[in-house]
Amino acid sequence: EPEVTQTPSHQVTQMGQEVILRCVPISNHLYFYWYRQILGQKVEFLVSFYNNEISEKSEIFDDQFSVERPDGSNFTLKIRSTKLEDSAMYFCASSPNRVNTEAFFGQGTRLTVV
Amino acid sequence: DQQVKQNSPSLSVQEGRISILNCDYTNSMFDYFLWYKKYPAEGPTFLISISSIKDKNEDGRFTVFLNKSAKHLSLHIVPSQPGDSAVYFCAASVFGGSNYKLTFGKGTLLTVNP
Repeated sequence: EPEVTQTPSHQVTQMGQEVILRCVPISNHLYFYWYRQILGQKVEFLVSFYNNEISEKSEIFDDQFSVERPDGSNFTLKIRSTKLEDSAMYFCASSPNRVNTEAFFGQGTRLTVV
Repeated sequence: DQQVKQNSPSLSVQEGRISILNCDYTNSMFDYFLWYKKYPAEGPTFLISISSIKDKNEDGRFTVFLNKSAKHLSLHIVPSQPGDSAVYFCAASVFGGSNYKLTFGKGTLLTVNP
């Protein structure tokens, strides 16, 4: 069964450092997303990406965040200068269509900023 | 701003009985609703969805009911099995338009006791 894969599973970084979280969406999907879940809180939308551009972003997704699809398979989330409050589980998701029906999620990357 | 609310953080049921998980929403623009299940250290897994043109959708042991006038939906699991023990997230979306995101509730931890 096709799945969304994320690497690494756990990333520890020092405050102020840049991190790149990587995702391989399902191959025939067209829409890609990043969500995050701070411990004990709800899953929050960060950004959606389609046709090589951001289609929607939340207020969380400020200038410190960026996304890229550098080739035909990878989808990355970059945080330029990490803050303590960026510590969370980051989930990548993909869907075959624009309306978020049955978005498939990866297993997540736990980011810990120290 | 909790547009999707799951007011029960946890629910415990006996194996074989019915589990009923509830969800309320405030945004009347939402017209597509999904339930996701999440095990520890894994990403959310899609379970079942319902469009606002329906009031019920059934898939095996899982049934979702939608009451638009009350802005309420529920997920019924019959019969409940120990393997159903997980966190269940209700999510909502606007079908079409420029909205690409899922809005999640905080989740309900279901424990099914043998």
